[in-house]
Amino acid sequence: DGGITQSPKYLFRKEGQNVTLSCEQNLNHDAMYWYRQDPGQGLRLIYYSQIVNDFQKGDIAEGYSVSREKKESFPLTVTSAQKNPTAFYLCASTRTARTNSPLHFGNGTRLTVT
Amino acid sequence: GQQVMQIPQYQHVQEGEDFTTYCNSSTTLSNIQWYKQRPGGHPVFLIQLVKSGEVKKQKRLTFQFGEAKKNSSLHITATQTTDVGTYFCAGASGYSTLTFGKGTMLLVSP
Repeated sequence: DGGITQSPKYLFRKEGQNVTLSCEQNLNHDAMYWYRQDPGQGLRLIYYSQIVNDFQKGDIAEGYSVSREKKESFPLTVTSAQKNPTAFYLCASTRTARTNSPLHFGNGTRLTVT
Repeated sequence: GQQVMQIPQYQHVQEGEDFTTYCNSSTTLSNIQWYKQRPGGHPVFLIQLVKSGEVKKQKRLTFQFGEAKKNSSLHITATQTTDVGTYFCAGASGYSTLTFGKGTMLLVSP
C-alpha cells in the first residue's frame, strides 16, 4: 500500500536540542509539505517542496529547516531557535505541485520539548 | 495574506440532528478543499470544489461553493456518531499554497 510514513509517532526532547522528524512517501508524488498543528489553530504551513533539491518557506518557517535530496524523503529539523516547538507535526504530499491537487497526510509526529 | 475563517469553532449535536460548518475567505478562491480529522488522527481529504455555485454530495454530506468563490459550506444531514471529528476547509488563490481554516470540531451524542 502506498502512503506517507512519519516517524516516530511521539518524540521527546530537551530544550536547546535540535531534532529531525522523518517523512517518507512511496506515492511517487512530486510535492511534499510540512504542517504544524496546535489546538484550535488549524494547520499552518512550515515548508514545502515542489521538486527535488528545491523548497520554499511557508507561513511559519522561522526555527525550522528542511532538505529534499530524494523525491521520497522530506525531513524536517526543528532547531533550538524555534521558540515554541511543542506541537503536532504533519507531513503531506500531493501528486503534482498544483494547488488543486489534494493533500495526502502522514499519521503525524507529536513533539514535546521540555 | 490570504485568510480563511471557519465557523463555528465547535458544535455538539444529538445523533440525527443536522450540522453545518461555514468557511469564508478574504480573497476569491480558485478552489476549496474539505478535510476531516478524526480524534487522534490525521486530516483526510473529502472533496474539492472549483466552480462558482458548485454543489457536490457524498451520501449525507453536501458541499457548496459560493457564487463569488469566497465562501463554502459543509452540511451533514442526520448526523451519526461516526461523523465525530474536526472538519477543515482549505482554499487557494491562483498559484498560492492552500490556506486552512481553523476547523470546526463536531461532537455527536448518541
